[in-house]
Amino acid sequence: QVQLVESGGGVVQPGRSLRLSCAASGFTFSTYGMHWVRQAPGKGLEWVALISYDGSAKYYADSVKGRFTISRDNSKNTLYLQMNSLRAEDTAVYYCAKGLTLYGSGSPDAFDIWGQGTMVTVSS
Amino acid sequence: QSALTQPASVSGSPGQSITISCSGTSSDVGGSNYVSWYQQHPGKAPKLMIYEVSHRPSGVSNRFSGSKSGNTASLTISGLQAEDEADYYCNSYTSSSTPNWVFGGGTKLTVL
Repeated sequence: QVQLVESGGGVVQPGRSLRLSCAASGFTFSTYGMHWVRQAPGKGLEWVALISYDGSAKYYADSVKGRFTISRDNSKNTLYLQMNSLRAEDTAVYYCAKGLTLYGSGSPDAFDIWGQGTMVTVSS
Repeated sequence: QSALTQPASVSGSPGQSITISCSGTSSDVGGSNYVSWYQQHPGKAPKLMIYEVSHRPSGVSNRFSGSKSGNTASLTISGLQAEDEADYYCNSYTSSSTPNWVFGGGTKLTVL
C-alpha cells in the first residue's frame, strides 16, 4: 500500500545539524512533488518545504530558508531534509507528505499521504 | 505568512452537524481554490479530508463537506459520530511571493 516512513530524528544541540529521510513505497515516487510539514509539541501544523517531482524546483517557509535543504533521490524513492544551524524553535515532529497533484512543481496542491512523523528535539 | 484563523474549539452531540470556519485573506483563502482540510487524532498523522475547497478523497465519508465564501472557508460535519472527535486544520495555497502553503491554527472538535 501507499506508505511514507520517516527516520533520522533525535536530540541535537542548538547550532548543530541533522538529516531526515522519508522512504516512499506503493506509488510512483518520481511523479509527485513532496513536502515536509512540522508540528511543534502541542501546537499546529507548519508547512516547511516542497521539492518538485524531478527535484528542479524547491521552495521553503521563511522560518527555515537558508538553513534547511530539501532534496530527493528518485532512484531510491527517498526524500530528505538537511537541517543546519538548528534552533530550539525547530523542535517538532517532522512529517513528510505526498503532494496530491501529479507532476507537482509548486503549483497549488494538497497533501494526500502522510508519514508517521519523526521527532526532532533541539536542546542543550 | 500569518496562519489562517480557526476557532480553538467546537462541540456537538452525536447526530448533530457542526461547522468549522477558516478565515484568511485575498492572498490565500480568498484568492485560491486550493483550500484543504485535515483531521488529526491524538498521536497520529494528519489525514486529508477535503481538497480544492469541496472535493472528498476516495474513502472519506460524505458526512464531511467543504465550502468557501470570500476569504472564509468552512468544513461541515453532519451526523456527528464519536470517532469524529479530533483536531481539524485548514490549509491554503498562496503564491503571494513564492509558492507557499499556510495552515490554520487548528480546531479541537469535541463530541459530547
